[in-house]
Amino acid sequence: GNSVTQMEGPVTLSEEAFLTINCTYTATGYPSLFWYVQYPGEGLQLLLKATKADDKGSNKGFEATYRKETTSFHLEKGSVQVSDSAVYFCALSEGNTGNQFYFGTGTSLTVIP
Amino acid sequence: GAVVSQHPSRVICKSGTSVKIECRSLDFQATTMFWYRQFPKQSLMLMATSNEGSKATYEQGVEKDKFLINHASLTLSTLTVTSAHPEDSSFYICSAPLAGATDTQYFGPGTRLTVL
Repeated sequence: GNSVTQMEGPVTLSEEAFLTINCTYTATGYPSLFWYVQYPGEGLQLLLKATKADDKGSNKGFEATYRKETTSFHLEKGSVQVSDSAVYFCALSEGNTGNQFYFGTGTSLTVIP
Repeated sequence: GAVVSQHPSRVICKSGTSVKIECRSLDFQATTMFWYRQFPKQSLMLMATSNEGSKATYEQGVEKDKFLINHASLTLSTLTVTSAHPEDSSFYICSAPLAGATDTQYFGPGTRLTVL
């Protein structure tokens, strides 16, 4: 079946530090991979996505590369800001499951000045 | 981009009462919508798939008689929590994919349900 395993948090970093949040997946077919962000008190927002192997998704300084050989989609940012404090969810979707999403458990990030 | 709305955003009810949550796709049609539940500091758990014109498909362990889902039109799905209890207190989120898009999904802002 499909599943997503995500690095457990919480993660606390100083401003301008490098961020990596690990995500690995299990899928029966060829999924699309996503990172969603949830700011305090808000709903999920799509941060970035990649739809096939070796694709790199990027947005707001965040990047993640779809690695089929390691079944991974790690989220990285070179220099985090206080405003990046949020919960980050890795997710996958396969067309043959009717666009159903499978989410990781979420990683809480706190960036301190 | 496409927008999905939920109403209400917050609701407080007494134990034993029923609560209806609406999910609307504002500028696109959605033959399928998904309902998730999110516990504090945890991930989203898929509860059911709402299908326009047919019965919803529930995930294992989700009581279909307690969480009634109706997909009345191509832009509206409703989740009714019947005979609510404090353990039903949670954050409920719906999502809808664009027709024909294999991976584009739009999430509602969520509804915070508190059962006293």
